[in-house]
Amino acid sequence: SQTIHQWPATLVQPVGSPLSLECTVEGTSNPNLYWYRQAAGRGLQLLFYSVGIGQISSEVPQNLSASRPQDRQFILSSKKLLLSDSGFYLCAWSGTGRATYNEQFFGPGTRLTVL
Amino acid sequence: DAKTTQPPSMDCAEGRAANLPCNHSTISGNEYVYWYRQIHSQGPQYIIHGLKNNETNEMASLIITEDRKSSTLILPHATLRDTAVYYCIVLTNAGGTSYGKLTFGQGTILTVHP
Repeated sequence: SQTIHQWPATLVQPVGSPLSLECTVEGTSNPNLYWYRQAAGRGLQLLFYSVGIGQISSEVPQNLSASRPQDRQFILSSKKLLLSDSGFYLCAWSGTGRATYNEQFFGPGTRLTVL
Repeated sequence: DAKTTQPPSMDCAEGRAANLPCNHSTISGNEYVYWYRQIHSQGPQYIIHGLKNNETNEMASLIITEDRKSSTLILPHATLRDTAVYYCIVLTNAGGTSYGKLTFGQGTILTVHP
């Protein structure tokens, strides 16, 4: 069966510090991968998605970047964190067929607090 | 994507069926109804989706009205672990810019009590 891992589970970082969140998927090949953010009391916002190694699409301009160095690894980064980067960061995967793009399977999330 | 309307909260007794409604009166012909839920402090979980026929899986049943303007998610025997926020969203699977982009509204907070 497929599993998705995220780490760390929680993170407290000072403003201006760098960020690296990692997501890995097991049990599937060539998945679509997604990074979402859920700010406190707000809905889900898609940040990045990837359909293959090295292929990243950004949904909103921001202080963050994403990379996919391996088929089942997705990394979210920032060079300098802002207070507004605080939130619950979720990685998800889906199949690559059109009928499966919207069936997404989420990781446990990373709760980031920027102070 | 079509907008959805859900009640903000519902209660259900453990062991009883939980029926969660969703209105999507502006749904278009190529849009599917998807349901996700999010248990507190966890990532969202896919439940079920359908186009126009009723659907059932190991988690739930989805009943879509004939005019497709509303639907009901049914958890047949709710347990305490089903307490979560339930999101109804409408998405196309036909390509374009919206597929793969999940956007959750406020959803329905379902509380299952003993």
